[in-house]
Amino acid sequence: GENVEQHPSTLSVQEGDSAVIKCTYSDSASNYFPWYKQELGKRPQLIIDIRSNVGEKKDQRIAVTLNKTAKHFSLHITETQPEDSAVYFCAAFFNYGQNFVFGPGTRLSVLP
Amino acid sequence: KAGVTQTPRYLIKTRGQQVTLSCSPISGHRSVSWYQQTPGQGLQFLFEYFSETQRNKGNFPGRFSGRQFSNSRSEMNVSTLELGDSALYLCASSLTQTLNEQFFGPGTRLTVL
Repeated sequence: GENVEQHPSTLSVQEGDSAVIKCTYSDSASNYFPWYKQELGKRPQLIIDIRSNVGEKKDQRIAVTLNKTAKHFSLHITETQPEDSAVYFCAAFFNYGQNFVFGPGTRLSVLP
Repeated sequence: KAGVTQTPRYLIKTRGQQVTLSCSPISGHRSVSWYQQTPGQGLQFLFEYFSETQRNKGNFPGRFSGRQFSNSRSEMNVSTLELGDSALYLCASSLTQTLNEQFFGPGTRLTVL
């Protein structure tokens, strides 16, 4: 079935270090992969997305890479700051069922 | 521009009742998607409406339904409420269909007793 796995579930890094979160998806026909950041008590916010015709996309300290063959995509945050602390969700749009499936989330803590 | 708004913000119902939640998208946005968020199941996609038509649908039972009006405002209805329906219900709007940047509303916290 349609599934998105996300690892790790929790991640602690020192301020200034990099953080990497990886997601795998089940349907090779998926073509849209967004990442959301949700701070405690707040609504999810799109931070970056990538489509299946692109291998990498970067926006300042945030980058996403997509490996279609291996069916995985990753979020990279460089020079982490305390305000990066939040839960990050990956998602994939599955064309067959026209369904949007989210990963279970990664709780990132950036320690000062 | 005003952001996405949802009403009510909090709601308490009992099992067996039905509930209607409302979402007003950002002005000019034509797509509205609905999500359920719970600690156990995480974020789950319910459905998306675009131009008053349901375009995409997640894996939820028929008790969950929705509609969209000509002004793009959307409502979500849950009939015969169950305890497990207690959740934060989020809507998100985007200019066009799902595969574009979505802006989330603050959510409606539904508690089923």
